Amino acid sequence: AQSVTQPDIHITVSEGASLELRCNYSYGATPYLFWYVQSPGQGLQLLLKYFSGDTLVQGIKGFEAEFKRSQSSFNLRKPSVHWSDAAEYFCAASLLVGADGLTFGKGTHLIIQP
Amino acid sequence: DGGITQSPKYLFRKEGQNVTLSCEQNLNHDAMYWYRQDPGQGLRLIYYSQIVNDFQKGDIAEGYSVSREKKESFPLTVTSAQKNPTAFYLCASSIDRGGPYEQYFGPGTRLTVT
Repeated sequence: AQSVTQPDIHITVSEGASLELRCNYSYGATPYLFWYVQSPGQGLQLLLKYFSGDTLVQGIKGFEAEFKRSQSSFNLRKPSVHWSDAAEYFCAASLLVGADGLTFGKGTHLIIQP
Repeated sequence: DGGITQSPKYLFRKEGQNVTLSCEQNLNHDAMYWYRQDPGQGLRLIYYSQIVNDFQKGDIAEGYSVSREKKESFPLTVTSAQKNPTAFYLCASSIDRGGPYEQYFGPGTRLTVT
């Protein structure tokens, strides 16, 4: 079955430190990949997406993600986190046009220490 | 501004009552979705719709109903048959289902049933 896994439920990072959030997918073919961010009590906002081509994707708010086919991964990174980055982060994937839609991971809760 | 509107932000109901959550979009998107979000569970798909007067069950449709009489609107009714209705509900839309089409999310409605 198609699935998206985010291995880390919680991650704590000091402000100014670098960040990497992990995402692995299990699909028969390379899916389209997305990262979303959710602030408490809010909807989800798209950070970035990967369709094809350059495996390093730049997004909003200084985030980037790297697609690695050999590892079935699409990890999200940021060189230096800010307190405002504290939120829930969701990785998502989809395969075919006309499919049910996106398959979401269960999310990673990012905590920023001062 | 184009976007998705969900109302109300907070909703309180007594057990045994049906309640309808509103979702409106002015993005001219064909596909619309309803998700339920519980702590640690990620997003679970309740229903989705590709076109007017057509909708499909998602992973957790039991106890919910929807309608799609207009392209812009996709209301969700939480019926008394839903055993555990207290949750955060998110509506989303996309140009089309699956494939490279990202979903745009509304701000959510937090439903509390006592």
